[in-house]
Amino acid sequence: KNEVEQSPQNLTAQEGEFITINCSYSVGISALHWLQQHPGGGIVSLFMLSSGKKKHGRLIATINIQEKHSSLHITASHPRDSAVYICAVTDGGSQGNLIFGKGTKLSVKP
Amino acid sequence: DSGVTQTPKHLITATGQRVTLRCSPRSGDLSVYWYQQSLDQGLQFLIQYYNGEERAKGNILERFSAQQFPDLHSELNLSSLELGDSALYFCASSVGPSSFATQYFGPGTRLLVL
Repeated sequence: KNEVEQSPQNLTAQEGEFITINCSYSVGISALHWLQQHPGGGIVSLFMLSSGKKKHGRLIATINIQEKHSSLHITASHPRDSAVYICAVTDGGSQGNLIFGKGTKLSVKP
Repeated sequence: DSGVTQTPKHLITATGQRVTLRCSPRSGDLSVYWYQQSLDQGLQFLIQYYNGEERAKGNILERFSAQQFPDLHSELNLSSLELGDSALYFCASSVGPSSFATQYFGPGTRLLVL
């Protein structure tokens, strides 16, 4: 079993829809990261969370430490949101190195 | 643009060969991480350096080695290459070796071993 599990693996949405991507982890963590990987391969850090909720534009990330679960929400989705979204954690004893989920491939249709 | 640079962008080589991938971190960042992304394994942590010293090792093969130089750039050396080493190799940097530091990723080096 992977230490970081994401669902769904693939997601197709219509422009304007509200999107949720889920992440569960089985290790004790210091922080959880949401990353976006563009079709060209580049990776951008979206959020780093250790508790609660963060919002940036149309993106919202939440984490529930007790349930070992995080969600990434995209409001009013747009075709330019099409990308792979990757959940990653830094475990409690690490020097910051990331443990990754397999990613969720999002496609937003116009 | 993350401020992290990686060269080369693409590399095609043959089995048994040796290659060197180079990474320059963002200005002011002391930590460098190397990650490998392959189709079957996804993203995996290879190795981390902080201010010239190795800090953590992940799933890095013995055929692979890395170092961080006094000017903080880092090199990942891959030797005796096998077909299975074909992957995207990312470098990321952060201010320090902390679990709470945001990591900034370079554009990656795409390695193809034929």
